[in-house]
Amino acid sequence: GAVVSQHPSRVICKSGTSVKIECRSLDFQATTMFWYRQFPKQSLMLMATSNEGSKATYEQGVEKDKFLINHASLTLSTLTVTSAHPEDSSFYICSFSHGGYNQPQHFGDGTRLSIL
Amino acid sequence: GQNIDQPTEMTATEGAIVQINCTYQTSGFNGLFWYQQHAGEAPTFLSYNVLDGLEEKGRFSSFLSRSKGYSYLLLKELQMKDSASYLCAVRDRDNYGQNFVFGPGTRLSVLP
Repeated sequence: GAVVSQHPSRVICKSGTSVKIECRSLDFQATTMFWYRQFPKQSLMLMATSNEGSKATYEQGVEKDKFLINHASLTLSTLTVTSAHPEDSSFYICSFSHGGYNQPQHFGDGTRLSIL
Repeated sequence: GQNIDQPTEMTATEGAIVQINCTYQTSGFNGLFWYQQHAGEAPTFLSYNVLDGLEEKGRFSSFLSRSKGYSYLLLKELQMKDSASYLCAVRDRDNYGQNFVFGPGTRLSVLP
């Protein structure tokens, strides 16, 4: 069964709206989580990494004031796209890692964000 | 720097065998993962290699050569549902070994 729950699965909203995406690990405590963005026919692009209780580390070119990440607990992380614009339309995917070098990342189902 | 390379697209016939290659150069190595991703869905884990050699899991096998920075995913008895993107990912040593570097993905089309 699913180990990561991501909501909502799809969002369509007007330009200028702020959108919050929630990601929960269901049956393990995750020390590290990742947020990715994926454009059509492209691979996953890492946006930021965060460890529980500390600030997220953003990849180069990703605006921390635009993409707010809160990793408040070991089971919940949120990504808020503030004042979204059409160019922010993309597929956003969260994932958790709970340590152990042979453990894969566990991905959420993704959120398809469409800004009109 | 970090670099992972895969072929962009491949095509194969139902029932055949296909090999998807991956080469990598990363800052440290803590394992290599293969994921399958269908369009519009999240990636799903297929296999993990940390030691040299072949790991077999049903119709899927994955091979690793650390000295060559090379891996491949072998898919046997191809089915139409295997049409998807296949992502190679390396766990490097950044962030206490928690970081994953993803390749660009290989889009596989299985034809009848």
